[in-house]
This record gives sequence, C-alpha cells and structure tokens, in this order.
Amino acid sequence: KAGVTQTPRYLIKTRGQQVTLSCSPISGHRSVSWYQQTPGQGLQFLFEYFSETQRNKGNFPGRFSGRQFSNSRSEMNVSTLELGDSALYLCASSFSDSYEQYFGPGTRLTVT
Amino acid sequence: TQLLEQSPQFLSIQEGENLTVYCNSSSVFSSLQWYRQEPGEGPVLLVTVVTGGEVKKLKRLTFQFGDARKDSSLHITAAQPGDTGLYLCAGARNTGNQFYFGTGTSLTVIP
Repeated sequence: KAGVTQTPRYLIKTRGQQVTLSCSPISGHRSVSWYQQTPGQGLQFLFEYFSETQRNKGNFPGRFSGRQFSNSRSEMNVSTLELGDSALYLCASSFSDSYEQYFGPGTRLTVT
Repeated sequence: TQLLEQSPQFLSIQEGENLTVYCNSSSVFSSLQWYRQEPGEGPVLLVTVVTGGEVKKLKRLTFQFGDARKDSSLHITAAQPGDTGLYLCAGARNTGNQFYFGTGTSLTVIP
C-alpha cells in the first residue's frame, strides 16, 4: 500500500505571497491532519479534515486554511506569507479514529 | 507552553547502553503515541498506548503509559546506531485525530 505523499517537497516563496501544499493520504484513509514543524515550536497541529469537513482546528491565524476533496486528498493554503511561516509542513492520514497516524515526508517551505 | 514535555531534550550515548525518555503532562490523554523522526522525513509511528498502566514491547523498545494517563516513558535496551533520531510523544485528548506533540528528544547513539 502506498504511503502518504506530499507535493511539492521543497518550496521557496517571498514574503506576502501565498502557497498551496498538497497531500494524498493512504488509500482508504478518510482523515487528514496538517502540522507545522519548526525548531523552536516543534510540531504544532494546524487542522484535521474528515470526509471533506474540518473537524478540529489548532491555534493558527486565519491565513492558514485547508480543504479536503471527495477522494480524501487535501490541500492547505497559506496566504500573505510571513518569514515565520518557514517550516516543515507535515500531513498525516488516519483511518477514521484509529489513533494511528501515518505521516508524509513533508513539504519544506522557505519564506524569504 | 507545550502540553507535553519530554526529557531529556538531547541524549548522546554509546552503543550498547540503555536509556529512558520521559513524556509528561498535567493533562489526561485518551491515547498516547510514540514516533521516531529522521532528518528530512516525517515521523514514523512506533506504538500507540490507550490503557492506563499499559506496557508494550517492540523488540528492544519498551513503552509504558502512566496509570493516570498523563505520562509515558520509552526505554531502549542496548541502543544501536540505527536508533538515532528524534523521538516524539503525542497525545490525543478527545475523539478525532487532534494530537498534541511533545517537545522531542534528540537521540544520538555513537558506534
């Protein structure tokens, strides 16, 4: 079974721009969660989508948004990028509430 | 402030030594997971514990969930260089898949 895939793997953007990251979960998994990982803050939960609905949301500003499609693929969008948004963005998929999350390799976003 | 605190933050040991990593919180969790992450990759799930007092063994790794479901530990016996990585604990507090991650323990095993 193929794992979680994230595209692109690396991205460089300029402050003020917007960016869209993509995540394809493991086949059959309906839950997709997004996390931001930085050296200073560690892994921080952004939001979770389940069957196209946002079910949980972390404490991030409205510039961070996401969506999930009917095939469970998910995208997250960050608008008006700030230097502090530079991070590794990780996506994790899970089959319902199985308590087991499987992570993708992440997208490394650098904002200059 | 992190909901889950891990200690130690950094650990450098010789091959063959034993070690324990702690994951502590003042909050109760419905389940707790341990992950290992290598540079440039996403975390890889090692184990999930859901019952207070539960102990799980995975080869040389032993995981324990505290009786009150507020803390957990990871013990590695006879560490090997392949155990090197960032160890993360993560707890879930309710239904759904919102996990709170610990501060992380960076382990280096020297051959």
